[in-house]
Amino acid sequence: GAVVSQHPSRVICKSGTSVKIECRSLDFQATTMFWYRQFPKQSLMLMATSNEGSKATYEQGVEKDKFLINHASLTLSTLTVTSAHPEDSSFYICSASSTEEQYFGPGTRLTVT
Amino acid sequence: KQEVTQIPAALSVPEGENLVLNCSFTDSAIYNLQWFRQDPGKGLTSLLLIQSSQREQTSGRLNASLDKSSGRSTLYIAASQPGDSATYLCAVPSGGYQKVTFGIGTKLQVIP
Repeated sequence: GAVVSQHPSRVICKSGTSVKIECRSLDFQATTMFWYRQFPKQSLMLMATSNEGSKATYEQGVEKDKFLINHASLTLSTLTVTSAHPEDSSFYICSASSTEEQYFGPGTRLTVT
Repeated sequence: KQEVTQIPAALSVPEGENLVLNCSFTDSAIYNLQWFRQDPGKGLTSLLLIQSSQREQTSGRLNASLDKSSGRSTLYIAASQPGDSATYLCAVPSGGYQKVTFGIGTKLQVIP
């Protein structure tokens, strides 16, 4: 099956700094990638839809200036959490789509201290 | 707006038992439904993708059914094993190209 990787798997950063998370489709080209956030004991919430070569589409309530998304190629999308705060601590998961199925990355655990 | 409900929220069964997980959704105009497994602190593993034209999809000990008209899907796990312990999520298309809405999941524990 299709493989999606994320890097890093865990990151701890200080409040006020920025952190970048990478999402790569390893064996297929993904014109669309999705970024989700998952808080403890809650389901995945879609943050934004990322299309290669164009601006991301953000869900209602997600600050686009805080969560910068870049989809520079058909195999790579990045999420940058700018000026991170403790409330941004969460599990971030990306997915890449091929036809109708989404393939999910292993997730990145972000802890902001 | 698509809303997805999964029942039960948690389930504990002895090893070897057959079990059914339920997923219901409010907007039945869907083209597929996907079941995932999530282990603690991990990403999602796709289990089954069932198209709207299908009523069932099987993979090993797993069988997913879909009834669009009633807005329901079930995931049947036969002869459960401790390794099946995980949270099971269903995901349903929710408007927009390939956007999906997830249920909160059913946390399954299979006791040896």
